[in-house]
Amino acid sequence: ETGVTQTPRHLVMGMTNKKSLKCEQHLGHNAMYWYKQSAKKPLELMFVYSLEERVENNSVPSRFSPECPNSSHLFLHLHTLQPEDSALYLCASSQEAPGQGGQPQHFGDGTRLSIL
Amino acid sequence: GQNIDQPTEMTATEGAIVQINCTYQTSGFNGLFWYQQHAGEAPTFLSYNVLDGLEEKGRFSSFLSRSKGYSYLLLKELQMKDSASYFCAVVYNQGGKLIFGQGTELSVKP
Repeated sequence: ETGVTQTPRHLVMGMTNKKSLKCEQHLGHNAMYWYKQSAKKPLELMFVYSLEERVENNSVPSRFSPECPNSSHLFLHLHTLQPEDSALYLCASSQEAPGQGGQPQHFGDGTRLSIL
Repeated sequence: GQNIDQPTEMTATEGAIVQINCTYQTSGFNGLFWYQQHAGEAPTFLSYNVLDGLEEKGRFSSFLSRSKGYSYLLLKELQMKDSASYFCAVVYNQGGKLIFGQGTELSVKP
């Protein structure tokens, strides 16, 4: 039990499909994050939510749409993705947003996404 | 930019000591994390440094020099299970973003 649960673990979709990734944290944290992890590249921060408000959007294409209905749940809605979007998508949470003390982020196991 | 540099790969022997270095741009620095990630698993938190000096936690230690923009992760008494990727990540500016290095893939050999 990592405290951060992501579903599904694996997802294969065509470029015209619409799907959603789900993340749930059981740690009582106030901040949640989406990262993209591609092979041989640094983790790329996509979105940050603090107290359910989006506080960071790192120039992510609009085909990725986040949703944070409450402090425990985070979604990433996907539509008309491209082959280069194939990657591991990691969700994380922390007590507070970065910069407010040494709050480590707790990561889920990720969703391995493959775009056909 | 906020380039964070660490070696791509390292190899070490079981029982030995290995040091993984990380350099970063100092402007706006507000803390540095080290994470471990085994293949197919979530990254896990190892250490946090915001002041100069050495933080020791069991077999793992992390060092920071803010003036030099330099940190290292020291792993002692290496075990096979320490084979993993190790990421340094820097917090820039108060309330700011966390930037990850590309990770160092450590292979521990018998």
